[in-house]
Amino acid sequence: AQTVTQSQPEMSVQEAETVTLSCTYDTSESDYYLFWYKQPPSRQMILVIRQEAYKQQNATENRFSVNFQKAAKSFSLKISDSQLGDAAMYFCAYRSARNTDKLIFGTGTRLQVFP
Amino acid sequence: NAGVTQTPKFRILKIGQSMTLQCTQDMNHNYMYWYRQDPGMGLKLIYYSVGAGITDKGEVPNGYNVSRSTTEDFPLRLELAAPSQTSVYFCASSYSAGVFNTGELFFGEGSRLTVL
Repeated sequence: AQTVTQSQPEMSVQEAETVTLSCTYDTSESDYYLFWYKQPPSRQMILVIRQEAYKQQNATENRFSVNFQKAAKSFSLKISDSQLGDAAMYFCAYRSARNTDKLIFGTGTRLQVFP
Repeated sequence: NAGVTQTPKFRILKIGQSMTLQCTQDMNHNYMYWYRQDPGMGLKLIYYSVGAGITDKGEVPNGYNVSRSTTEDFPLRLELAAPSQTSVYFCASSYSAGVFNTGELFFGEGSRLTVL
């Protein structure tokens, strides 16, 4: 069974600085999707960025980028120029490309942003 | 541009009561899901549906039931509520058709349920 591990329960960053959130996963499959979701205090889960496993190029969305290391099964999220609005819970998630029924979540990392 | 809508947003139940969490989506997604989120934890899948008339259990289905009579609606029923069901519940949907699969789930805003 696939698992997703986020080893950092909490992280903090100064406004305008860069922070990296870690995620590792375990799977025997070769084709899958990885996601970072943001959950602000309003609770609604918002997709931040996604990565297809077959793509070697790391995904980027404005200030958010990932470091996808397929062999190491690592999928970290880098937030550049951090803003106060980035403060939230961040969840890493895995979804098989073949068995598309389920999204498997890590336990989350709470990010605090200090002015 | 409603997306995924859940009701109610908050509810307090007494032990043994029953209730239904409603979920509807207007994106014509074939897949729908119910997750629960306990404090300090990630989301755990309760039930999911790959289309109208088809439902299946996730990781933590005990104490819940679902139905999917239409593409749009996916209600979650709690029978005989227990304190262990105190949680935040999220409904989500996605679209998958053969090789076309963005993988992304779209979430509702969550329903906070407390069982006392």
